Amino acid sequence: DQQVKQNSPSLSVQEGRISILNCDYTNSMFDYFLWYKKYPAEGPTFLISISSIKDKNEDGRFTVFLNKSAKHLSLHIVPSQPGDSAVYFCAAVGSNFGNEKLTFGTGTRLTIIP
Amino acid sequence: GAGVSQSPRYKVAKRGQDVALRCDPISGHVSLFWYQQALGQGPEFLTYFQNEAQLDKSGLPSDRFFAERPEGSVSTLKIQRTQQEDSAVYLCASSLEHSPYSPLHFGNGTRLTVT
Repeated sequence: DQQVKQNSPSLSVQEGRISILNCDYTNSMFDYFLWYKKYPAEGPTFLISISSIKDKNEDGRFTVFLNKSAKHLSLHIVPSQPGDSAVYFCAAVGSNFGNEKLTFGTGTRLTIIP
Repeated sequence: GAGVSQSPRYKVAKRGQDVALRCDPISGHVSLFWYQQALGQGPEFLTYFQNEAQLDKSGLPSDRFFAERPEGSVSTLKIQRTQQEDSAVYLCASSLEHSPYSPLHFGNGTRLTVT
């Protein structure tokens, strides 16, 4: 049972354009969401997060949007740069679960075309 | 070093062998996690420590998997009698606080191949 889903395995975007990565979740107890970025042969690195009390969080070129009613979140990267080429994982956690266990999606490979 | 360190980076084991994977978390980090990442998948939770206490081991796939963190810093994940389905990247992560809002810092992983 995949509780966090990233339905697009890959995405290609022209340099300078907007990249939009999507994520859906099924567990309504999730209330905190994170995006991690992963380069080959490295571990994932934290990118940005959002609490369920917000619908938007912005950090430089990165913005995460949360639609609780649709159980959907998205990561926008504007403008996209070649260094953004990586695999992006969406992750979720419930603050009431009593632990910090993250549930990850399967990832979306983003390729920025120069 | 400033980051989470894992060793070895690569491990090839023959089916039936025992392996031990090591994780050195960031100094002072309270929480430590082990995740398993199969090819083309996202990381899947194995187990979690708060200091030396193993608070959750619900993700360990079988009793062949064992993890410890005896002094609340370095952790070892041991897999006994390895099977082909154990082939994966094993990721260790640590976080500063015991909080779901404290971001995880991942190591570069150990790629285990069971032949």
